[in-house]
Amino acid sequence: EAQVTQNPRYLITVTGKKLTVTCSQNMNHEYMSWYRQDPGLGLRQIYYSMNVEVTDKGDVPEGYKVSRKEKRNFPLILESPSPNQTSLYFCASSLSFDSPLHFGNGTRLTVT
Amino acid sequence: ILNVEQSPQSLHVQEGDSTNFTCSFPSSNFYALHWYRWETAKSPEALFVMTLNGDEKKKGRISATLNTKEGYSYLYIKGSQPEDSATYLCAYRMDSSYKLIFGSGTRLLVRP
Repeated sequence: EAQVTQNPRYLITVTGKKLTVTCSQNMNHEYMSWYRQDPGLGLRQIYYSMNVEVTDKGDVPEGYKVSRKEKRNFPLILESPSPNQTSLYFCASSLSFDSPLHFGNGTRLTVT
Repeated sequence: ILNVEQSPQSLHVQEGDSTNFTCSFPSSNFYALHWYRWETAKSPEALFVMTLNGDEKKKGRISATLNTKEGYSYLYIKGSQPEDSATYLCAYRMDSSYKLIFGSGTRLLVRP
C-alpha cells in the first residue's frame, strides 16, 4: 500500500532532550516536507527536500534539523526541544514539487 | 510575507444544502493552488491541484474554480452530506518556489 509512515504518533518529552521523528515513504517520491500545525494557524512548513542530499528551510525552521540520506526517509530532529515546539507535526511527500502531497498520520509532540 | 486567506473560518450547513468557500492568494507569480480535505483525527487528503487561470476541477459533488488574475479560488460542495464535515485547506505555490503556503482552513460541519 502506498503510504507515508511517521513515528511515533504521540510523544511526550522534556525540555532539552534530543528527539527524532521518523518519516518514510514507499512511493519513490522526490519531494518530502515537514509541517507543524498549531490551533488557529495553517500548516506551516518547517523544512523540505527536493531529493537526496538536497534540503532547504521552510517558514519556521528554527530549532529543527532534517536530513535526506536516502530517498525514502526524511527524519525531523529536535536537538534541544522547548515547550514552544509542542505541536502536531506532519510529514508529506509528492512525486514532484508540483504534484499533490501525500501526508503521514501525524505526530503529536508535547514538550514539558 | 505571502498570505493565503480562507473564508469563512467555519460554516454550519444542513444536510442537502450546497455550499462554497473561498481561498485568496497573491495574484503575482502564481504557480499552483492546491485544495485538501482534512477530517478530524486523520491526515489531509488532496482534492485538487490547479494551475491554469479559469481551471475548473470536479470530484463527485465537490468542484473548484481558479482565478489567478484576481487571486482567488472557490470550492463548491453540492448537496452537502454529514460525511463532508471536515476542514478544507487551500495551499498556494509561487512560481520558482518549492514552498507550499497553506491557509488556516474552513471548517465545515454538515448537520443531518
